[in-house]
Amino acid sequence: EIVLTQSPGTLSLSPGERATLSCRASQSVNSRNLAWFQQKPGQAPRLLIYSASSRATGIPDRFSGSGSGTDFTLTISRLEPEDFAVYYCQQYGSSPLFSFGPGTKVDIK
Amino acid sequence: EVQLLESGGGLVQPGGSLRLSCAASGFTFSSYGMSWVRQAPGKGLEWVSALSGNGGSTFYADSVKGRFTISRDNSKNILYLQMNSLRAEDTAIYYCAKDQGTGSYDHWGQGTLVTVSS
Repeated sequence: EIVLTQSPGTLSLSPGERATLSCRASQSVNSRNLAWFQQKPGQAPRLLIYSASSRATGIPDRFSGSGSGTDFTLTISRLEPEDFAVYYCQQYGSSPLFSFGPGTKVDIK
Repeated sequence: EVQLLESGGGLVQPGGSLRLSCAASGFTFSSYGMSWVRQAPGKGLEWVSALSGNGGSTFYADSVKGRFTISRDNSKNILYLQMNSLRAEDTAIYYCAKDQGTGSYDHWGQGTLVTVSS
């Protein structure tokens, strides 16, 4: 069973700073099957990145994804006020069929 | 515009049953896999169940296997989740989500709250 671990648990940054979020898998994940989501309080998750590095429709280019194998990264180049939220990575295709990481909260320093 | 609208949540006693529905519009429903994802209060996301576009393939998390049944009516564009033998730990917001074809969910509903308590 694949387990996704995200670090750090909380990232305290100021607007304009760069955010680097990590997602590590216990086994190799096909890069095509790794996604990132953003969730704000009281809202449903929103797809940011799919296939490890492809931005979803309407996602600003300050969001980028990278990585392969067991190590993946979501980078927000310059934090905007609306980017403070919880971010989840998700894998597809391995047992369990879908799974999410525990999330990284990006809050205002 | 893609829309997913869940309904059917509520308060149910332990051991009880509930059926959730997700009405879909704005896309060719039968062409896409669909899933249910839940989120316990203050917790992270947990995948619950998935179903192929034609309904022929179903998948479940171990935590719900044997108790929950996912299904769909492609003539009505509705996704269902039949939940039996409910437990306190099933308390969560349940989201339906559309698989864009890459195993990632490009559209989500607003969620429906299920509370299992006596």
